[in-house]
Amino acid sequence: SQQGEEDPQALSIQEGENATMNCSYKTSINNLQWYRQNSGRGLVHLILIRSNEREKHSGRLRVTLDTSKKSSSLLITASRAADTASYFCATDAGSDYKLSFGAGTTVTVRA
Amino acid sequence: GAGVSQSPRYKVAKRGQDVALRCDPISGHVSLFWYQQALGQGPEFLTYFQNEAQLDKSGLPSDRFFAERPEGSVSTLKIQRTQQEDSAVYLCASSSLGHRVDNEQFFGPGTRLTVL
Repeated sequence: SQQGEEDPQALSIQEGENATMNCSYKTSINNLQWYRQNSGRGLVHLILIRSNEREKHSGRLRVTLDTSKKSSSLLITASRAADTASYFCATDAGSDYKLSFGAGTTVTVRA
Repeated sequence: GAGVSQSPRYKVAKRGQDVALRCDPISGHVSLFWYQQALGQGPEFLTYFQNEAQLDKSGLPSDRFFAERPEGSVSTLKIQRTQQEDSAVYLCASSSLGHRVDNEQFFGPGTRLTVL
């Protein structure tokens, strides 16, 4: 069973616009991670945010975490065609090693 | 240095055939994971190795699924008597440390299995 749920399922934006996607999860976590998956390729780790952090930045990515609402958001600013991919949140769900992924948000950036 | 590699990249099997999927983790990585990703879904955990020890196989869907990592490096996921519901992308990941979930997992490109 999947721990997280991403919203929306799909998102289409114009190049240069910002893209925001959300993730909700069910159980307590130690950290939450976001991954990107391009068509036909493996998952690439983007960013990790710990449960005691509220916001984190990495380049054009901004992640927030609200543990009281069991939710996280990923913002991609100034999107590019190369950002077209599926984005997944993953939590540890209390495990020391196992990741539980959501179903993902498919982002299409139009030129 | 090379990342995680998997072979074959694509596999078509007739229902009832046995298949073997290979994963070459990043050299020196202690932990190795297998995940199953159905179409349109996120990856789901199958099993976890720390070196050659299989510490968790709770995600394996049935006793037709078997994984091994005999020398603590290369791993093989074997599926016996494949069924159509086994069709999925099988992802392998490795990480450099043991029980540390905030240790980044590096994923391979996956093997897309189609069972006819």
